[in-house]
Formats: sequence, structure tokens, C-alpha cells
Amino acid sequence: AQKVTQAQTEISVVEKEDVTLDCVYETRDTTYYLFWYKQPPSGELVFLIRRNSFDEQNEISGRYSWNFQKSTSSFNFTITASQVVDSAVYFCALSPLSGTYKYIFGTGTRLKVLA
Amino acid sequence: GAVVSQHPSWVICKSGTSVKIECRSLDFQATTMFWYRQFPKQSLMLMATSNEGSKATYEQGVEKDKFLINHASLTLSTLTVTSAHPEDSSFYICSAYSGRVEPQHFGDGTRLSIL
Repeated sequence: AQKVTQAQTEISVVEKEDVTLDCVYETRDTTYYLFWYKQPPSGELVFLIRRNSFDEQNEISGRYSWNFQKSTSSFNFTITASQVVDSAVYFCALSPLSGTYKYIFGTGTRLKVLA
Repeated sequence: GAVVSQHPSWVICKSGTSVKIECRSLDFQATTMFWYRQFPKQSLMLMATSNEGSKATYEQGVEKDKFLINHASLTLSTLTVTSAHPEDSSFYICSAYSGRVEPQHFGDGTRLSIL
């Protein structure tokens, strides 16, 4: 069975703090994709990153960084020097590399960044 | 980047009405479109997968006769909520997939409120 777990339901931080959002997944597939999406209060899904299971290199994009560890089936997301505009719900998702490409979404983590 | 247009963005209607939601891929051909439903403060739940020219594949527990999906062309899929009732009120999001190795592209969602 495929499953994505985001154990943190809600996190509150003060502006400029660093925050890490956890994502743990389960899959029987040997190849797969992992994603992070941001959903601001307006509702649209904003694509942040896609990671192929072949590629375990960590990635940094501005204030965002991602740590993929296949050994622990985790794909964690860190925001450095958080800002109020980072307040949103963040979803981690998993999909196979072939076939239906259906996404399995985690339950999301609501991040509140306080000024 | 690829754009998916979803219309309407917001609709309020009376109980018993049927409501149609459109999902269009504006600058690419979508071989597959997905329809999701999201209740407040919950994750996205896949309702159905729609392939152009064929019947949609519904997820377990989703009523086919209640949620009619049509994918008549490579750029348009529609979701019709038939005889809508208050419990159908939700946020519906579509996504489009081109068949190439790239992420799903999401529409901005439709907030449906049934009175």
C-alpha cells in the first residue's frame, strides 16, 4: 500500500525562525516521485519541488531546502528565515514513475508564521 | 509554465441543482485529468481519473452517477455534480497531465456551496 504521513498537523513559528516540515512515505514501488505543494488560503496548489527516487541529492532553492533520505523513507522540507507569506498548508505527495501517475497526498501541515 | 483553467471558481446554488465544473488545459494536451475533492482543513482526495475519449475511473466510494465526468477532448474535462445536496459542498480541484514526465498541473479550484 502507498501512504504519505505528515505527522505535524499545525506548526506556529515566529518570523525569521527556521522550520522543518516532515514527510514520511510508504511504497512498494522501487521507483517513484515525491512532491511538495503549497496551498495558501486562496486555495490554489503551488508546485514547489519534484524529486525522483533515483536522486537522493538534497536541494536548495532560495530559503527552501529539501532533505530526501531513502533509507528512512523521508522527504523533509525546511524553510529558512520564515516569513509571514510562508503561512499556508503544505502537502507532501507520492506518485509512481509510470502507469497512472496518481498522487497520494499526505494530510498536510498548516504553517503559521507570526510577525 | 503550463496553465490549467478551472471554471467557475465559486458557485452557490440551491439543493437539487446540477452543477458543472470545467477544467481546461490552455497550452498543452492533457491525456489524463484528475478530479480531487477537499473538505475544510483536510487533504485532497482523488475522486476519479479521466482519460480523453474513455470512461473515467472512479475511486472507491465515489458515486459515478452523482459525479459525472466527461473528457471529450485533450484540453477539456468536466465534472457535473448531479442533484447536489449540502453534503456535496466542498472545494473541487482538477489537474491535468500531458503524459510526459512532468508534474500534474492543477487548476485553482472551485468552491461549491449548496444551500
